Amino acid sequence: SQQGEEDPQALSIQEGENATMNCSYKTSINNLQWYRQNSGRGLVHLILIRSNEREKHSGRLRVTLDTSKKSSSLLITASRAADTASYFCATDAGQAGTALIFGKGTTLSVSS
Amino acid sequence: EADIYQTPRYLVIGTGKKITLECSQTMGHDKMYWYQQDPGMELHLIHYSYGVNSTEKGDLSSESTVSRIRTEHFPLTLESARPSHTSQYLCASSGNPQETQYFGPGTRLLVL
Repeated sequence: SQQGEEDPQALSIQEGENATMNCSYKTSINNLQWYRQNSGRGLVHLILIRSNEREKHSGRLRVTLDTSKKSSSLLITASRAADTASYFCATDAGQAGTALIFGKGTTLSVSS
Repeated sequence: EADIYQTPRYLVIGTGKKITLECSQTMGHDKMYWYQQDPGMELHLIHYSYGVNSTEKGDLSSESTVSRIRTEHFPLTLESARPSHTSQYLCASSGNPQETQYFGPGTRLLVL
């Protein structure tokens, strides 16, 4: 069964607005990661947050993690047309040596 | 930009043909992965390897096979391609199963 589920499935905003995507997961984790995928391309790693961290920043990205609710959010501030992509969360299953499990993704469209 | 490469980028082939999708990385990573992704959908892990001569099947049943004779090379083979194999195939590598994965650009396969 899917470990991570993103919400919403799709999001359309104007340039300059903020975009928030959420990810829920089912089991305990060691860390949670967010990736971006431009259309027809491979995934690019954005940010990793460990289970003992609550918030992390990288440029215009802000990630929060609430292990009690088994959820994470990705905030992109002052969005640009170049942010148009699909965004995936990925988790381990809390077990050393297991591969990552990816969610279904949120498709973000930023119009100018 | 990650040093992981996939060839070919696009492949159109007839039913019944044998194909090999190539993946190579120059980062010295022990861990390598193959994912299958239909357009707009989530990634499904189909094979992974944690080192030379080590291969495992992933969560999604696949008729493909893989080999890992050299650290840098992780080819995927379909002995007899079928239209149901039409998809995008993404290769990734990491230095640790639970840490950042670096993705190649993907191979888009169309089986007629």
